[in-house]
Amino acid sequence: KNQVEQSPQSLIILEGKNCTLQCNYTVSPFSNLRWYKQDTGRGPVSLTIMTFSENTKSNGRYTATLDADTKQSSLHITASQLSDSASYICVVSHSNSGYALNFGKGTSLLVTP
Amino acid sequence: GAGVSQSPSNKVTEKGKDVELRCDPISGHTALYWYRQRLGQGLEFLIYFQGNSAPDKSGLPSDRFSAERTGESVSTLTIQRTQQEDSAVYLCASSLGDRSNSPLHFGNGTRLTVT
Repeated sequence: KNQVEQSPQSLIILEGKNCTLQCNYTVSPFSNLRWYKQDTGRGPVSLTIMTFSENTKSNGRYTATLDADTKQSSLHITASQLSDSASYICVVSHSNSGYALNFGKGTSLLVTP
Repeated sequence: GAGVSQSPSNKVTEKGKDVELRCDPISGHTALYWYRQRLGQGLEFLIYFQGNSAPDKSGLPSDRFSAERTGESVSTLTIQRTQQEDSAVYLCASSLGDRSNSPLHFGNGTRLTVT
């Protein structure tokens, strides 16, 4: 069964601090890995998409890393802001089907003043 | 419009009633997806449309669920004889075709509550 596991389930950090969210997957064969940000009451918004050959990709203060050998990814948030409070979702695409996506349950991040 | 639009944003219905949810994708996006998101759970795939190809309905949980899409435009998700376990947020997303690295653009969802 293809699975995407995220940790921690939830996280609270102080504004200005850095944090790292983890994603482990068993999807095989693998095509790409995506990170989405979902604000409360809103739809998810794409942060990064990484293919098999990419090890890291940045989007502003967000940096995603990928280790396809260990099937692990991380999302690092630098100098957190209150607006970073959201759910962060890891999504892994199965290479045999361009549209088949496996979603993690997300990490709920709360940034406090 | 600039993004994916879903309506209504909230829907409360009585058990046993039918409901229809609407999705307006981004213009030019040939791929359209419906997902269900239960509280604390990951997104659950329901159905996928790509251009004029036959849709992938493999995620629809029962025959009470159906969806249609006219060409590459509006899609409707219909739930017949609603049950309390149908309560969830229903998210629609569109993308540029089925290229595996095309990002999905999501609407803000319809929150369905079945009483």
